[in-house]
Amino acid sequence: EDKVVQSPLSLVVHEGDTVTLNCSYEVTNFRSLLWYKQEKKAPTFLFMLTSSGIEKKSGRLSSILDKKELSSILNITATQTGDSAIYLCAVGAAGNKLTFGGGTRVLVKP
Amino acid sequence: EAGVAQSPRYKIIEKRQSVAFWCNPISGHATLYWYQQILGQGPKLLIQFQNNGVVDDSQLPKDRFSAERLKGVDSTLKIQPAKLEDSAVYLCASSFPFVRRDRDKNTEAFFGQGTRLTVV
Repeated sequence: EDKVVQSPLSLVVHEGDTVTLNCSYEVTNFRSLLWYKQEKKAPTFLFMLTSSGIEKKSGRLSSILDKKELSSILNITATQTGDSAIYLCAVGAAGNKLTFGGGTRVLVKP
Repeated sequence: EAGVAQSPRYKIIEKRQSVAFWCNPISGHATLYWYQQILGQGPKLLIQFQNNGVVDDSQLPKDRFSAERLKGVDSTLKIQPAKLEDSAVYLCASSFPFVRRDRDKNTEAFFGQGTRLTVV
């Protein structure tokens, strides 16, 4: 059975801090790793990673995949209160199968 | 481009009643997913369709849950009878179809706004 584990479960930081979120996986027929941000109900897409060692960036967010370690990290620099959300990691497998981790809840305090 | 549409947004029912959720995916998306997200947990896949065929329903509680995707477009998810532990957000998502030469590639899934179900 495919498995995706995220850590930490939750964290509280202050504006301006840097946050690092972890995602590890055990998946058959791995194809991609995806990060989503969930503020209310609908997760919104952040990144899709398919190649090891290549960093993807979008503003203050960045992510990298390590296929050897079966893991990925998501970094958020200079955090703002608007970054408060649940961050979900998902792994895509053959046949468009998509398995999610439990999420990391991030709270950014002013 | 219109996103994934879901209805209703909220539903409160008593246990043992039935309920149905509707999803209209992004036009042209072949893959449709239904996820259940219990408070404090990540989304759990209930069923995945590729066009109108079921790809994976291994985690669907088939004694009470059913889903269909007629004509490979809209989908409905039904719970009958509902239990207290079915209280959750039900998320529908869709992703691009893959052509034969790209079948080793995945694409991101786009989510609807979800339906928050409360069973009392």
